[in-house]
Amino acid sequence: GAGVSQSPRYKVAKRGQDVALRCDPISGHVSLFWYQQALGQGPEFLTYFQNEAQLDKSGLPSDRFFAERPEGSVSTLKIQRTQQEDSAVYLCASSLVLAGGYNEQFFGPGTRLTVL
Amino acid sequence: GDSVTQMEGPVTLSEEAFLTINCTYTATGYPSLFWYVQYPGEGLQLLLKATKADDKGSNKGFEATYRKETTSFHLEKGSVQVSDSAVYFCALKIQGAQKLVFGQGTRLTINP
Repeated sequence: GAGVSQSPRYKVAKRGQDVALRCDPISGHVSLFWYQQALGQGPEFLTYFQNEAQLDKSGLPSDRFFAERPEGSVSTLKIQRTQQEDSAVYLCASSLVLAGGYNEQFFGPGTRLTVL
Repeated sequence: GDSVTQMEGPVTLSEEAFLTINCTYTATGYPSLFWYVQYPGEGLQLLLKATKADDKGSNKGFEATYRKETTSFHLEKGSVQVSDSAVYFCALKIQGAQKLVFGQGTRLTINP
């Protein structure tokens, strides 16, 4: 079956522009995560959804970052008034929610955002 | 706060060499521990995991043992192959939380 997909794969924005990054999780996966990966660094958590509910947004770096998952499937990460420090790869991951046990997160290929 | 520290790279080895990539962690709760791998041009994939102290995770010839006394989860492989060239990430997840906390990654290159 299909894995997690993300679009676009590459995005170049001028400073000050708004961008929207899309994530299509694995069908049936309840949980969805966004991570930010700066060059040469490990991914850092941004936010987490269970179905359409955003249960944790503690990692969002500023109020310019906004994420939504209105129907509990596809999610969009929006960055307003982009700054150069927003340049990074944005990773989406999804997982099942099982009673107890470990829920593996499956990662998409990422969207590489470059802000000029 | 919770954090993961990995051995700095890049690491370059010859084929069939023994591999160790060190990983230590700091956690406020009782974590599960993971190694993820990112092959060139591909997304992050789970390599192995351990959910409690003294557990050994293993996959594709790689192993790591959860050592609570040293707060470590070092990755080892007895004989590496060129196809093991990738970036390796150590990560933790605190019990009751959902997010993963990653180390900075270690780039491994295996020469034939």
